[in-house]
Amino acid sequence: KNEVEQSPQNLTAQEGEFITINCSYSVGISALHWLQQHPGGGIVSLFMLSSGKKKHGRLIATINIQEKHSSLHITASHPRDSAVYICAVRWGGSEKLVFGKGMKLTVNP
Amino acid sequence: DGGITQSPKYLFRKEGQNVTLSCEQNLNHDAMYWYRQDPGQGLRLIYYSQIVNDFQKGDIAEGYSVSREKKESFPLTVTSAQKNPTAFYLCASSSQRGVETYNEQFFGPGTRLTVL
Repeated sequence: KNEVEQSPQNLTAQEGEFITINCSYSVGISALHWLQQHPGGGIVSLFMLSSGKKKHGRLIATINIQEKHSSLHITASHPRDSAVYICAVRWGGSEKLVFGKGMKLTVNP
Repeated sequence: DGGITQSPKYLFRKEGQNVTLSCEQNLNHDAMYWYRQDPGQGLRLIYYSQIVNDFQKGDIAEGYSVSREKKESFPLTVTSAQKNPTAFYLCASSSQRGVETYNEQFFGPGTRLTVL
């Protein structure tokens, strides 16, 4: 069964902390997406990656193909980073994304 | 501005009624998708369309129907056959329809459907 697991499920941090969100998947993939969902429900795509590392502002996403694992790092966290972070993968030859359950992050001032 | 719009944001219906959720995009994307989100679960694919006048069932298509008569529009009908229709529904689109190159999906703001 193709699965996507995210950990932890919930995380509370203090402003300024370095945060790591993890995603593991069960079989080889062609691409992995990190998405952000704010309380209103809208989803924003943060990264799409198939190897290596990508950086955008205070966000860094890495993927280890051999370990079948990806991490999303947030440096100098801020209350506006509070959201649900979702990992989704695309398996080779498929048009479809399979989503993890998401991780709810709360950053307190 | 380019983007995806979904309307309405909140929708209430009585049990047994069909209801249609709107999704429009002006990104000139070929592919469009409908997802359902329930508390504590990942998004699940209901239907997707790679090109006008064509669509495929996703993982949970039972009780739903779609049409793709125009490139920019992909409405979803929740029929009375759907056993648990109360959920948050998200529409998305992407620029590639082939399996060779995968692009990111852009999401609409969602419609929260409550069936009373």
